[in-house]
Amino acid sequence: AQTVTQSQPEMSVQEAETVTLSCTYDTSESDYYLFWYKQPPSRQMILVIRQEAYKQQNATENRFSVNFQKAAKSFSLKISDSQLGDAAMYFCAYHGSGNTGKLIFGQGTTLQVKP
Amino acid sequence: DAGVIQSPRHEVTEMGQEVTLRCKPISGHNSLFWYRQTMMRGLELLIYFNNNVPIDDSGMPEDRFSAKMPNASFSTLKIQPSEPRDSAVYFCASSPTWLGGGIEQFFGPGTRLTVL
Repeated sequence: AQTVTQSQPEMSVQEAETVTLSCTYDTSESDYYLFWYKQPPSRQMILVIRQEAYKQQNATENRFSVNFQKAAKSFSLKISDSQLGDAAMYFCAYHGSGNTGKLIFGQGTTLQVKP
Repeated sequence: DAGVIQSPRHEVTEMGQEVTLRCKPISGHNSLFWYRQTMMRGLELLIYFNNNVPIDDSGMPEDRFSAKMPNASFSTLKIQPSEPRDSAVYFCASSPTWLGGGIEQFFGPGTRLTVL
């Protein structure tokens, strides 16, 4: 069974600085998808960025980028120029390529942004 | 678009009572997912539907939990009887399709359930 591990329960960053959140996963599949979701205090789950495993190029969305290391099964999220609105819980999630529909989530990392 | 709509946003009930959570997916989405979030277990998929048909309910914890999707625009998650350990935030999410893994799931705001 696939698993997703986020080893950092909490992280903090100074406003305007860069922070990296870690995620590792375990799977025997060769084709899959990885996501980072943001959950602010409002509880709403918001997709931040997605990565297809077959793509070697790391995904980027504005200030958010990933470092996808397929062999190491690592999928970290880098937030550049951190803003106060980035404070939230961040979840790494895995989705296999099969028609299962299942998203498997990590335990989450709470990010604090200090002014 | 209004996004995924869930009701109620908060529910407080007493142990043994029946609880019904409701979800309206985004129009045109044919996949619907129910998740539960707790501090201890994180986010867990309970059940998901495709074209109103339950595909996988292996995450449903017990027979006390049941879910239905009578039509493309409405789903319910029912707990009967409720227990204190059912206290959690329940999310509904929808997706345009379940085929392929790269399709984003759009989440509702969640229902915070407290069972006393």
